Amino acid sequence: QVQLQESGPGLVKPSQTLSLTCTVSGGSISSGSYYWSWIRQPAGKGLEWIGRIYTSGSTNYNPSLKSRVTISVDTSKNQFSLKLSSVTAADTAVYYCARVRGTVGSYFDYWGQGTLVTVSS
Amino acid sequence: QSALTQPASVSGSPGQSITISCTGTSSDVGGYNYVSWYQQHPGKAPKLMIYDVSKRPSGVSNRFSGSKSGNTASLTISGLQAEDEADYYCCSYAGSSTLVFGGGTKLTVL
Repeated sequence: QVQLQESGPGLVKPSQTLSLTCTVSGGSISSGSYYWSWIRQPAGKGLEWIGRIYTSGSTNYNPSLKSRVTISVDTSKNQFSLKLSSVTAADTAVYYCARVRGTVGSYFDYWGQGTLVTVSS
Repeated sequence: QSALTQPASVSGSPGQSITISCTGTSSDVGGYNYVSWYQQHPGKAPKLMIYDVSKRPSGVSNRFSGSKSGNTASLTISGLQAEDEADYYCCSYAGSSTLVFGGGTKLTVL
């Protein structure tokens, strides 16, 4: 059974860089044809896809966040990471990591529990 | 890339059927058979309920079904139960290796 766990600072100052890591257990991050993705959800609002990475290192990002987002993978640690630069209060949200499956990598079958990141001085 | 359009809320009584719509464009929902649906209870992570428009993952009740017509996808829940009360989100492939979610629908079981 694949499990994902997000980790990282719960508080980030405005204009700084948000950094989160997702640790995958119950299977190798580099086995199978999977993407690994980040999704966020502001309090009381809907889900927003941030981006995804293939185990080869190939990435795709939400066009609205592309200029500020970097997703990377460390197969030796079975982890993938998110960096979001120049954060503002609008980036305050619960951040989820998830495994992505499908012919074009279009659906999320395993999710982490989510981690709340607050942007505030 | 705009969010897909879902009704803010729907409701139904136990045993009834309800349908949640998810409207996009020919660039996302209408252009591909890659729509998925997620159920989210308060304080919990979303759970995959339907993928590739109408396929059900193992372990998901057959009371949940999905379909698509043109630019609109739909999730139908039959035999409504109290535990179905949750938020539901659709998601579609939007071309150029991107994905887009709907705004979410709150289902109330009366």
